Amino acid sequence: LAKTTQPISMDSYEGQEVNITCSHNNIATNDYITWYQQFPSQGPRFIIQGYKTKVTNEVASLFIPADRKSSTLSLPRVSLSDTAVYYCLVGDTNSGYSTLTFGKGTMLLVSP
Amino acid sequence: GAGVSQSPRYKVAKRGQDVALRCDPISGHVSLFWYQQALGQGPEFLTYFQNEAQLDKSGLPSDRFFAERPEGSVSTLKIQRTQQEDSAVYLCASSSHGTGGNEQFFGPGTRLTVL
Repeated sequence: LAKTTQPISMDSYEGQEVNITCSHNNIATNDYITWYQQFPSQGPRFIIQGYKTKVTNEVASLFIPADRKSSTLSLPRVSLSDTAVYYCLVGDTNSGYSTLTFGKGTMLLVSP
Repeated sequence: GAGVSQSPRYKVAKRGQDVALRCDPISGHVSLFWYQQALGQGPEFLTYFQNEAQLDKSGLPSDRFFAERPEGSVSTLKIQRTQQEDSAVYLCASSSHGTGGNEQFFGPGTRLTVL
């Protein structure tokens, strides 16, 4: 599975847009990029998944350049409740099953 | 139920005791995963079930760890002769399909403390 690298922590203020970039230089052709969010004392929660270009849902946008060696999770107008750990994962969704390889994630702290 | 549930939420064990952690996945979900999360770290894969079949147990740290899902729904993770290094949060996740990449739904976890 491709290894990912993301910042350990980020700080932001309410109402700002936050962009978290993840590097995955060894991404394989069949690999998708998935982001999860985890609050304290809870299990991770799926945010978004993509393969290339741009994906948008009601929570976030995911930008993936043509070489797919990195990806950026964009959270528009964050609020205090967006304070959490964000994990970037890369894996082959076409395999018989998938195991998610989490790194340490990015701790996002949103302040008033 | 509405989501994945796990019990107990907290478990304190004396070193050497056996523990059993339960996971109730979302009804109808084919895939079930167990993860171990140490403090300040991301979850680490332990084992995977597709229905009642345990297809991957490569992440189990030792032969003291055992998981089962006999009827393809509820799963139990058992840890024998617990050690202090087993202290962690144990997360269960389920997914609707056996193919890779499908969204996994996580439970709240069981926090195990071994004294």
